[in-house]
Parts: sequence; C-alpha cells; structure tokens
Amino acid sequence: DQQVKQNSPSLSVQEGRISILNCDYTNSMFDYFLWYKKYPAEGPTFLISISSIKDKNEDGRFTVFLNKSAKHLSLHIVPSQPGDSAVYFCAATNTGNQFYFGTGTSLTVIP
Amino acid sequence: GAGVSQTPSNKVTEKGKYVELRCDPISGHTALYWYRQSLGQGPEFLIYFQGTGAADDSGLPNDRFFAVRPEGSVSTLKIQRTERGDSAVYLCASSLKPATPSGANVLTFGAGSRLTVL
Repeated sequence: DQQVKQNSPSLSVQEGRISILNCDYTNSMFDYFLWYKKYPAEGPTFLISISSIKDKNEDGRFTVFLNKSAKHLSLHIVPSQPGDSAVYFCAATNTGNQFYFGTGTSLTVIP
Repeated sequence: GAGVSQTPSNKVTEKGKYVELRCDPISGHTALYWYRQSLGQGPEFLIYFQGTGAADDSGLPNDRFFAVRPEGSVSTLKIQRTERGDSAVYLCASSLKPATPSGANVLTFGAGSRLTVL
C-alpha cells in the first residue's frame, strides 16, 4: 500500500525554466514532509521540508508547497540548473519513526 | 565521522548464504534507520533504533532479517538464508533528534550497500 505517490517517473526541463515535481499522499495523519535528492551511487540527501502547519517553505531556488485538503505537495525549482539533474524523492511521516517515500521522479535539466 | 558510512558498498552472494551489512552513523546521532530500495522503487522502511533498542521493527519483511545496535552506535543488518528477492540497495540513515510526533527530524543517509543474490 503506497501511502506516498509520485506519479511522474521522469521530467525534462530546459535550463533556466521552472521544474515542478509533484507528490500525493493518502494518510491524513502525516504532519511532516520532506524532499530528498539522489545522485547515482549515492544515498539520498535532504533538500527541503515542510511542516503540516505551513503551506509554503522556501530555501533559495527551492520552494515546497503543501495543500493539505488535496493531500498534495509540490517542489518548485527556479531557475533549474543542469546540476539539479537527479532523482527526487518525496517523503512523509507522522511519528518521526517511519518515513514513507515515494517512488521518485527523475529530473533532467537540459543545458 | 563526517557522514554515515556503510560497508560493504557491494556484496554479491549466493542464494541461501548469510550476509551482514554494517552501518556507522554520524557521531552523536541517537536515531538510526535501515531502509531497502529495490530497483525503480523508493526507500522502504525496515527498522528504527533509538539508542541500543529497536523502537520499531515493523518493516522487517520476515524472520530472516535481523538488526542489532549493541552499543548505540554502529548497527549491523543481518540476513539469513538469502533469497534472490533480497537483492536491493540497503540504506542506513541516522538523525540527531529522537523521534517526535512533529517531525523536524532530518535523516542523513549513507551511500548504501548494494546486495545481489545470485
């Protein structure tokens, strides 16, 4: 039972444009959400997070939006750079013990 | 250490053999997690340690899988009688804060141990 879903396995964006990665979840008890970025042969690295008491969190070029009523969050990268090319995982938790991950979206930023 | 260290980085074994995977977390991190990532999937929770004890082992798929953290630092994931379906990347993560209901608990992952069962 996949509680966190990323329905787009891949995304290609031109350098300088906006990348929008989407994530949906089913468990309304989730109260903390994270985005991780993963390069080949490396472990996932933390990118940005958001608590359920907020609807937006921004860190430089990265912004995460949370829509609790739709159980949807998105990651915006503006402007996209070739170094952003990686697999992005959305994760959610309600206890801080188990973090549920989506299946990932592979982003390619074309120079 | 500076980051989460996992050894071996690659392990090839034969069906039925016993395997141990080691995780050395960031110094001072009390929480330690094991995840498994199969091809094309996201990381899947296996077990969580708070200190020396397994606070949540509900993700272990069956009794062939076992993990220990005897001194509250290094952890070993042990897989008995390996099967081809156990082939995956096993990821270890640690975090500074113990689990809290409100999160604010960022996991730092190691590079993983890729297990291939022939």
